[in-house]
Order: sequence, then structure tokens, then C-alpha cells
Amino acid sequence: DQQVKQNSPSLSVQEGRISILNCDYTNSMFDYFLWYKKYPAEGPTFLISISSIKDKNEDGRFTVFLNKSAKHLSLHIVPSQPGDSAVYFCAVYNQGGKLIFGQGTELSVKP
Amino acid sequence: NAGVTQTPKFQVLKTGQSMTLQCAQDMNHNSMYWYRQDPGMGLRLIYYSASEGTTDKGEVPNGYNVSRLNKREFSLRLESAAPSQTSVYFCASSDPPHGTHFGNGTRLTVT
Repeated sequence: DQQVKQNSPSLSVQEGRISILNCDYTNSMFDYFLWYKKYPAEGPTFLISISSIKDKNEDGRFTVFLNKSAKHLSLHIVPSQPGDSAVYFCAVYNQGGKLIFGQGTELSVKP
Repeated sequence: NAGVTQTPKFQVLKTGQSMTLQCAQDMNHNSMYWYRQDPGMGLRLIYYSASEGTTDKGEVPNGYNVSRLNKREFSLRLESAAPSQTSVYFCASSDPPHGTHFGNGTRLTVT
């Protein structure tokens, strides 16, 4: 039973355009959501997070939006750069403190 | 400032052999995690430790055991390796709900 789902395995975007990565979750009790970025042969690195009391959090080119009624969050990258090409994972802390990840979306930003 | 250090980086085992993956963090985090990453499956939680002396099963615990030796160290043991355990293993630590720090992974092949 997948608690966190990223339904798009891959996304290709032109440099300078917006990248939108999506994530759905199943449990309305989840209250803290995170995005991670992963390059090949490295561990994931934390990118940005949002708590359930907010609907938007912004950090430079990265913005995370949370729609609690739809149990959906998204990561916007504007403008996209070739160095953003990586696998992006969304994750949630469940009530027991475990950090659960989605399957990941591979972003390719083309020059 | 090493962050999360895991060893070894690579390992090849024959079916039925045992081994222990070591992990240590120097950030004084309470929570530690072991994940495996397989193509198309994202990061799946194997075991979790909320604090020294406590461990809890994650999504895919079968075939693994863990030890939280002290606050710094969290080891993962494969008692009798199987080809299905061929994967990339990541150790991580955090103080929820903050972002998690990951090691660079152990690439394990079981033949």
C-alpha cells in the first residue's frame, strides 16, 4: 500500500522554463512534507519542506505547494537549469516519525 | 564535518553469506534510518530507530536485522543474503520534522 505516490517517472523541460513535479499522499493525518534531490551515485539531499499549517513555502527558485483537501503537493522550479537534472523524491513523516518516500521523478532539463 | 558515513561502498556476496553494513552520524540526531533503493521503487524504509535502544520495522524489513549501538551508530545486518537483496542501501539521520541527512550509499550485489 503506497502511502506516497509520484505518478510521473520522468519529466523533460527546456532550460529557463518551469518544472512542476507532483506528489500524492493517502493519509490526511500526515503533517510534514519534504522534497529531496538525488544525483547518481550520491545520497539524496534535502531540498525544501512544508508543514500542513501552510499551503506554500518558497526558497529561491524552489516553491512547494500543498493542497490538503486533495492530498497533493507539488514542487515548482523556476527557472529550470541544466544542473537541476536529477531524481526528485517527495517524502512525509508519518505519525510514528518514520520518513516515507515516493517512487521518484527523474527530471531532465535540456539546454 | 563528516555528516553520515556508511561502509562499505561496494560489496559482492554469494547467496547465503552474511554481512553487516555500518553507519555513523556526527550530528547528534536522535532518529536514524536504513533504506534500499531499487529501480522504479524509490526509497523503501527497511528499519527505523527513533532513539538509542529503540528500533522499528519499516516497509521492507524481512531478511534484515538492525542494531542501534549508541546514538551515533546504526548497523544493518543480512544474516543469509539472497539475490533479491541486491540493491543500493542508504543510511540516514535526522531530528524530525527537519530534513534528513543521507550517506552516499552501499552498492550490494548478491550472486
